Amino acid sequence: GAVVSQHPSWVICKSGTSVKIECRSLDFQATTMFWYRQFPKQSLMLMATSNEGSKATYEQGVEKDKFLINHASLTLSTLTVTSAHPEDSSFYICSARIPGTYGYTFGSGTRLTVV
Amino acid sequence: QKEVEQNSGPLSVPEGAIASLNCTYSDRGSQSFFWYRQYSGKSPELIMSIYSNGDKEDGRFTAQLNKASQYVSLLIRDSQPSDSATYLCAVNDAGNQFYFGTGTSLTVIP
Repeated sequence: GAVVSQHPSWVICKSGTSVKIECRSLDFQATTMFWYRQFPKQSLMLMATSNEGSKATYEQGVEKDKFLINHASLTLSTLTVTSAHPEDSSFYICSARIPGTYGYTFGSGTRLTVV
Repeated sequence: QKEVEQNSGPLSVPEGAIASLNCTYSDRGSQSFFWYRQYSGKSPELIMSIYSNGDKEDGRFTAQLNKASQYVSLLIRDSQPSDSATYLCAVNDAGNQFYFGTGTSLTVIP
């Protein structure tokens, strides 16, 4: 149980284009979704927290106009990287709390490469 | 001071040995503690959670928590090459904020 499905698993895009990453909670309702970014050989860095039906909360240093987050339903949260540049190339992972516990489950991640 | 600190390693152990991974945390009011395993290029997967002082065993894995020392560890017995990964310690602090450590890279040598 408590599965988060993330798509796509990898994407290559041209500099200046936008990319949308989707995370769906398959067997539970995720009122909150966390979005992380991970550069090679570095730890997970929390980018933002999305709450169903309200604006996302962004961590310091994360551009909210560049990383658009939408959490329109209890089972779907999306992250759109707008006007992507090579420095945005990274591993993006979503996460939600496992219902009834204090633990978190993760999507499978999206490897974004901007060329 | 970081919320959660881990030795980044790399830690190398021979196959069959015990691997010991350590983590300290700064918020004394933290209540929930987790160990995640992350293979290269993959997302983290939860392998252990612990909420009270003492040991918690699950197969070859044992989590140890000492709230007085603000210390949590993970022991992996009979280490296998497939255990080679980065192990992330995570903590829910008193404010219900979730923090990851930077991870410890483990290599099990056949």
